[in-house]
Amino acid sequence: DGGITQSPKYLFRKEGQNVTLSCEQNLNHDAMYWYRQDPGQGLRLIYYSQIVNDFQKGDIAEGYSVSREKKESFPLTVTSAQKNPTAFYLCASSIVGRSSYEQYFGPGTRLTVT
Amino acid sequence: DAKTTQPPSMDCAEGRAANLPCNHSTISGNEYVYWYRQIHSQGPQYIIHGLKNNETNEMASLIITEDRKSSTLILPHATLRDTAVYYCIVLSGGGADGLTFGKGTHLIIQP
Repeated sequence: DGGITQSPKYLFRKEGQNVTLSCEQNLNHDAMYWYRQDPGQGLRLIYYSQIVNDFQKGDIAEGYSVSREKKESFPLTVTSAQKNPTAFYLCASSIVGRSSYEQYFGPGTRLTVT
Repeated sequence: DAKTTQPPSMDCAEGRAANLPCNHSTISGNEYVYWYRQIHSQGPQYIIHGLKNNETNEMASLIITEDRKSSTLILPHATLRDTAVYYCIVLSGGGADGLTFGKGTHLIIQP
């Protein structure tokens, strides 16, 4: 089955620790995205990548870092510099072109930092 | 990208058609109307999009007014599994620079 996997589903960390969230896709999509969602809110874009070894900051990139060494993988690191890291993190992918906004989302990782 | 206005919540009886409105009065000529939905604690799911003409797929129909200032998403025979938050967003056709969702409409299907 083609799709996007995110792991783990729930993640708990102590304040001051960096944590990396996994995102893998087997849809052969060029573009991948990371979003953050807070309770009762919509999505906010953290980073996106349209091609391997290249990525751009979204609206709320501060305190986050990404890498795109392989087409299938786009891991997100939440660093200790992120002031309010507790949130629901969603990864998505799409083709690049006219249908770029038809994005496929993973199931999400719920991160809790205490 | 144009802003959209949606009611915060709506109810619909199971088996009936659910009609979700969206206002986008500042939409420009090259902007598409996209609809997504998000079931609680899951990732969003793409539903449908359109530019001018009405569109239909296996999930829903999208009706766009002639002046393109508003649209309606129609779920023809709503089921309990259609309970979700529905997001209407307006975007230019090209690019891969991500989505921004507002608060959407929380559709509750009543048994």
